[in-house]
Amino acid sequence: GDSVTQTEGLVTLTKGLPVMLNCTYQTTYSPFLFWYVQHLNEAPKLLLKSSTDNKRTEHQGFYATLHKSSSSFHLQKSSVQLSDSALYFCALSNMGYKLTFGTGTSLLVDP
Amino acid sequence: EAAVTQSPRSKVAVTGGKVTLSCHQTNNHDYMYWYRQDTGHGLRLIHYSYVADSTEKGDIPDGYKASRPSQENFSLILELASLSQTAVYFCASSPGHNERLFFGHGTKLSVL
Repeated sequence: GDSVTQTEGLVTLTKGLPVMLNCTYQTTYSPFLFWYVQHLNEAPKLLLKSSTDNKRTEHQGFYATLHKSSSSFHLQKSSVQLSDSALYFCALSNMGYKLTFGTGTSLLVDP
Repeated sequence: EAAVTQSPRSKVAVTGGKVTLSCHQTNNHDYMYWYRQDTGHGLRLIHYSYVADSTEKGDIPDGYKASRPSQENFSLILELASLSQTAVYFCASSPGHNERLFFGHGTKLSVL
């Protein structure tokens, strides 16, 4: 079946530094990849979405590129802010009705 | 902005009791989902539905039932609540295949 792997459970960074959150996936079908962000005590919200190979997708300063050759969709930002502290989920859809989520990465940004 | 409303926002239940979590959407979306969130497991799909009066099992359906009496409403039922079902439950809706999910604010369920 489908699976999504996020290797980091917790990432702690100082404000202003760059960040990359890892996401790899497994599927036998053509994938749609998503990043969702969940701030404390809030619902998850869509951050990014892509199905196009080797095309960079950007939103709110975050960006990611789907690489089908390596089955990856890493999330990056060049300069993190305090407000970026949240839980980030990578998710996969493959022409079905359901989304498969990774275990999530908590990002903590220090002043 | 699409709207998904869950009730209750939090609930304390006793082991062996029946629990019903409700979800209502005003997005006119066909697809609705129930996920549970646990630390270290992310979001796991319990049940989903793509049309009224029909539900499908997700990845972890054991111990849960679902009901979709109308396009707008989707309920999750725990007939015999157990300690292991303590979690935060999210309902979501979606307009179609490979589209974004719109989540409710979640229901925090504590089974004692």
